[in-house]
Order: sequence, then structure tokens, then C-alpha cells
Amino acid sequence: GAVVSQHPSRVICKSGTSVKIECRSLDFQATTMFWYRQFPKQSLMLMATSNEGSKATYEQGVEKDKFLINHASLTLSTLTVTSAHPEDSSFYICSARDPGQSGLAGKSSYEQYFGPGTRLTVT
Amino acid sequence: GQNIDQPTEMTATEGAIVQINCTYQTSGFNGLFWYQQHAGEAPTFLSYNVLDGLEEKGRFSSFLSRSKGYSYLLLKELQMKDSASYLCAVRDRRDMRFGAGTRLTVKP
Repeated sequence: GAVVSQHPSRVICKSGTSVKIECRSLDFQATTMFWYRQFPKQSLMLMATSNEGSKATYEQGVEKDKFLINHASLTLSTLTVTSAHPEDSSFYICSARDPGQSGLAGKSSYEQYFGPGTRLTVT
Repeated sequence: GQNIDQPTEMTATEGAIVQINCTYQTSGFNGLFWYQQHAGEAPTFLSYNVLDGLEEKGRFSSFLSRSKGYSYLLLKELQMKDSASYLCAVRDRRDMRFGAGTRLTVKP
């Protein structure tokens, strides 16, 4: 099955510094990747849609200058949290679509495969 | 936009059956997903419905009624390891949105 990795799995940084999180599709090419944020005991909130070779589409209320997204290749998207603050501490999860999975085992090509997540703590 | 509602918490007994409901409002419906998420982990795919009816996969089944904007996830023969959050997610033409999740606790 499709595998998505994230790095790092856990990061602690000081307030005011920047942190880069990588999301990779390991065995498929993902033209579209998604970045979510999840606060404790809350659901996933879509932050932005990352499109290979073009600018990301940000959800309302998400600062594009603070959360920089780069999707430079079909297997890699990065999220950079710039000038991080304690309120940015959260669980960041990426996901990717595998267009090659259409019709396989009853699943839709719209199924998204999630990375294992990155827990960011800003002190 | 989308509104997705599901109960916040549910409790059930090991070996029993539990049904988790999800209601939604969306334009351009293009599928409904159920995911399981254990604390501190990423969601894992459970089921997908795009047509009305019941999809069965082992101990888990998912039902969809598009006219009612309603789905449920049915878990049979509950096991302790089924204690987790269950997320209902709806896809429209643009993207996929998640409900707040239902935290299921399975007790012995």
C-alpha cells in the first residue's frame, strides 16, 4: 500500500525560531499533498493544500507567510513554521493522494494516505 | 462549506456492537470516509462510501444515505484495542473535511 513518511516525528524548538517538516510519498507520486494541524482532543484541521509545481492553497485563517509550503517534487512537500510561538505547538500531519489507487480494492483514488505526524513543541 | 457532526464520546463493552453516527451538509458530495485514530498517531483508513448502502469489511461496516446526509460506522465484536477516536470525513469537489471525531472507550 501507499506509504507517506514525515520527518521529524518530534521537534522541540525555542520561540522565534523556524522549523521545517518534510512529508514524503515513498512509493507513489503525489501531485497533491495536504497539511493538517491537530490540537489535543480536537479533530484534524486542514491548513493548506500543496500542489506540485504551484503555490499552495491556504485555508481561511491560516497565515501563508507564517506557514510556508513548498512542493518542489512529486514526492516531497515541506511545511516551514516561521518564527514559531508556543501557540503553534501542535500535531502536524500531512497526507497525500495516490492517483494510481483508483478502483483498487474498492478504494477511491481520492483516498488520502496520512503520514505519521510531527509533534511540535515550542518553548 | 461543510458541517460534519458526530458524537463527542461513546462507551461500549467488550464484545458488544456500537454504532457511531455522522451527519453532514455539503455541496458537491464526492464520498465519505471513516478513519480510526489512536492517541498521538495519524489516522488510518477504515472505509469509504460514495453510493447509498452498506459497505462491510470484517468487524467494521459503514452505511451511507446521501439524501439524508447521514452515515454510520458499525463496529461488531468490540475489542479493547478498538478504543480510539473515529473520524468521519466528507469529500466535496475540492477537498476533504473532518468531523471532530468520536472518542470510543471500550470497557471490559
